Amino acid sequence: DVKVTQSSRYLVKRTGEKVFLECVQDMDHENMFWYRQDPGLGLRLIYFSYDVKMKEKGDIPEGYSVSREKKERFSLILESASTNQTSMYLCASSPLQGPEAFFGQGTRLTVV
Amino acid sequence: AQSVTQPDIHITVSEGASLELRCNYSYGATPYLFWYVQSPGQGLQLLLKYFSGDTLVQGIKGFEAEFKRSQSSFNLRKPSVHWSDAAEYFCAVGADSNYQLIWGAGTKLIIKP
Repeated sequence: DVKVTQSSRYLVKRTGEKVFLECVQDMDHENMFWYRQDPGLGLRLIYFSYDVKMKEKGDIPEGYSVSREKKERFSLILESASTNQTSMYLCASSPLQGPEAFFGQGTRLTVV
Repeated sequence: AQSVTQPDIHITVSEGASLELRCNYSYGATPYLFWYVQSPGQGLQLLLKYFSGDTLVQGIKGFEAEFKRSQSSFNLRKPSVHWSDAAEYFCAVGADSNYQLIWGAGTKLIIKP
């Protein structure tokens, strides 16, 4: 069974901490995505990557960075967490020919 | 620019009743169209997709959707809902780049016993 796995389901961090959210896919997909989901706002794209070491900003990249050192792994980094980054974070991947996306189970991050 | 509209934020349906969730899109060419479902606290699961061919597509869990080019719509239907269908449903359109999906805001389905 194909899988996208996010390292944590729930995470609580303090304001100002550096936070790493990890995502691994086993489908050999070229494209990987990080979304943020908030009530009433749907899914908003933070960053995506179409190849190792390549990244593109999405709609709301401010306060975030990403890393893709290996094809199967895509990390989201909050350089200095703030309370307004409390949210559900969803990782997804899709094949090169796209665009059908496969999602992880989500990480609910609370910044206190 | 591409966009997706789901006009209903919430829909309440009695168990056993039929369901239709609306989705309208704005796109210059024949789109790739998707419906995903999200149960509470979970990630998104693909229900069905349309790429080409027959405009009525069947999905998992008894759902179907019909692509209507003239109306720029891709509405999701189910003839008889079950309490386990309570979830949030997202419509999405494949973007030009083929990298991304453009998402609707979602419709939360509430099932009345």
